[in-house]
Amino acid sequence: AQSVTQLGSHVSVSEGALVLLRCNYSSSVPPYLFWYVQYPNQGLQLLLKYTSAATLVKGINGFEAEFKKSETSFHLTKPSAHMSDAAEYFCAVKGTGTASKLTFGTGTRLQVTL
Amino acid sequence: NAGVTQTPKFQVLKTGQSMTLQCAQDMNHEYMSWYRQDPGMGLRLIHYSVGAGITDQGEVPNGYNVSRSTTEDFPLRLLSAAPSQTSVYFCASSEQGFNSPLHFGNGTRLTVT
Repeated sequence: AQSVTQLGSHVSVSEGALVLLRCNYSSSVPPYLFWYVQYPNQGLQLLLKYTSAATLVKGINGFEAEFKKSETSFHLTKPSAHMSDAAEYFCAVKGTGTASKLTFGTGTRLQVTL
Repeated sequence: NAGVTQTPKFQVLKTGQSMTLQCAQDMNHEYMSWYRQDPGMGLRLIHYSVGAGITDQGEVPNGYNVSRSTTEDFPLRLLSAAPSQTSVYFCASSEQGFNSPLHFGNGTRLTVT
């Protein structure tokens, strides 16, 4: 079965600094990978998705993620953090079996300080 | 566009009570699912449906029932609420397919006392 591991339940960065949120996946077949963001008291919104078309995926709000098969990773980055980026971020994977089942990581809460 | 609509937004139940969490989507999505979100555990799949009349269990199905009589609606029933079911519940839908992202509702915050 496919799974994802998010390293670091809390990450704190200064405004303007690089954001790096880590995600490693486990899948016996080429995975479909997603990053979602959750703002306080809201549902989850799709940031970006990897579907094998390109290893570097650009998403909304200046975020991007790079698929590295050799490292089984799909880390999320943003060159310059903004206060509005403070939220919880979830990595998720689809693999074999029922096409639409999505398995989530445990989440990383991003704090942005002045 | 309404997207995925969940009701109620908040609910308090006593142990042993039953209730139904409502979920409706207006995007004609075949796939619908229910997740619960607990601190430090991410989102865990409770039940899902790949079309009207078809449902299946996810990772944590015990204590919950679902049905899918129409494409639009996918209610989640708590048969006899327990404090362990205190959580935030999210309904999500998508088109079928590996690269189709889930669309989420805004959640129902349930407290069982």
